[in-house]
Amino acid sequence: GESVGLHLPTLSVQEGDNSIINCAYSNSASDYFIWYKQESGKGPQFIIDIRSNMDKRQGQRVTVLLNKTVKHLSLQIAATQPGDSAVYFCAEVHLGNMLTFGGGTRLMVKP
Amino acid sequence: KAGVTQTPRYLIKTRGQQVTLSCSPISGHRSVSWYQQTPGQGLQFLFEYFSETQRNKGNFPGRFSGRQFSNSRSEMNVSTLELGDSALYLCASSLGGIAGEETQYFGPGTRLLVL
Repeated sequence: GESVGLHLPTLSVQEGDNSIINCAYSNSASDYFIWYKQESGKGPQFIIDIRSNMDKRQGQRVTVLLNKTVKHLSLQIAATQPGDSAVYFCAEVHLGNMLTFGGGTRLMVKP
Repeated sequence: KAGVTQTPRYLIKTRGQQVTLSCSPISGHRSVSWYQQTPGQGLQFLFEYFSETQRNKGNFPGRFSGRQFSNSRSEMNVSTLELGDSALYLCASSLGGIAGEETQYFGPGTRLLVL
């Protein structure tokens, strides 16, 4: 699995701005990816997913982009709100339902 | 539909003791996975159970074990607790396919503190 560091990168944005959170994954054979949001004291919450046969998928205020060439995922949040403040994780889904998580990015929304 | 539930939510133990954590998956979900979350190592996969059988296992010592019951509820056990076992233990459930294309839904976690 992917190793993670002690320090969480932080993205600080103004309320109403768009946010972009990036993630690099390790396994070029991965077919399915999920973005999770984790608020303090809670478990990870599903946001959006994407399969490897897609480059882009849109949800409500969120868009996930997948670049398989460079093994990169991004999560775009439109019109960021204070309630979006949380830690965001990307995860690769492996055979046997095993998730490998990225290190996470802390999103802070300034009112 | 109720989400994944975990009990207890908080637990304090001392080194050398053992602990059992419980997870009830979403109704209809047959796969239960366990993860350990620490500030230093992030989220790491412990094991996955399906139909009362361990189907997949992460890189943790044998002190960490689990089981699943016929109603898909799962327990994990940690024996001979060490200080480094202090973590948030998360349970996730999914329908149970093995194709690697299933969404897993997480519970709120059990916060374990080992003194």
